Amino acid sequence: GDSVTQMEGPVTLSEEAFLTINCTYTATGYPSLFWYVQYPGEGLQLLLKATKADDKGSNKGFEATYRKETTSFHLEKGSVQVSDSAVYFCALSRSDKLIFGTGTRLQVFP
Amino acid sequence: DAGITQSPRHKVTETGTPVTLRCHQTENHRYMYWYRQDPGHGLRLIHYSYGVKDTDKGEVSDGYSVSRSKTEDFLLTLESATSSQTSVYFCAISAEDSNQPQHFGDGTRLSIL
Repeated sequence: GDSVTQMEGPVTLSEEAFLTINCTYTATGYPSLFWYVQYPGEGLQLLLKATKADDKGSNKGFEATYRKETTSFHLEKGSVQVSDSAVYFCALSRSDKLIFGTGTRLQVFP
Repeated sequence: DAGITQSPRHKVTETGTPVTLRCHQTENHRYMYWYRQDPGHGLRLIHYSYGVKDTDKGEVSDGYSVSRSKTEDFLLTLESATSSQTSVYFCAISAEDSNQPQHFGDGTRLSIL
């Protein structure tokens, strides 16, 4: 069945470092792909999405490109801030449902 | 922010008691979802609804039931709570198209002793 695999966390970075969080997926066809972010004590918020191959989603300095050939949707940011500390979830859509990865915790220190 | 309200936000109860969680939306979205979030598992779908009185099971539906009598309300019921159902529960909503993102409530932290 469809699934999403994310890199294990936590990812620990210093402020202004480059961020990559890996996400790969297994699915038939071409699902839409999403990144969500969860700040402490809150629900998930949509960070960005891509609906077809080679699409790049971007928001708040974060980017991810839908790579069909490698079935990947890695999240990147050029310079992280302390305020980016959160849990990040990769997800794919299938028949009006979302399938989530297990989440990657990011900790950014000053 | 999408208008989604979950109630209660926190609840502590005992094993064997019934529990109902409520999700209320003001967006008039067709789809509503209940997830549970547990360490190491991410979010797992319990049940979802694609319209009034139209519901279906997710991957972890055992021990849970749902009802949707109005577009704006989606109820999740634990008929006889067990300690394994201690979790954080999230409601989400989305519009018609599966390419549209889901919008999440702030969650209900449920502890079953």
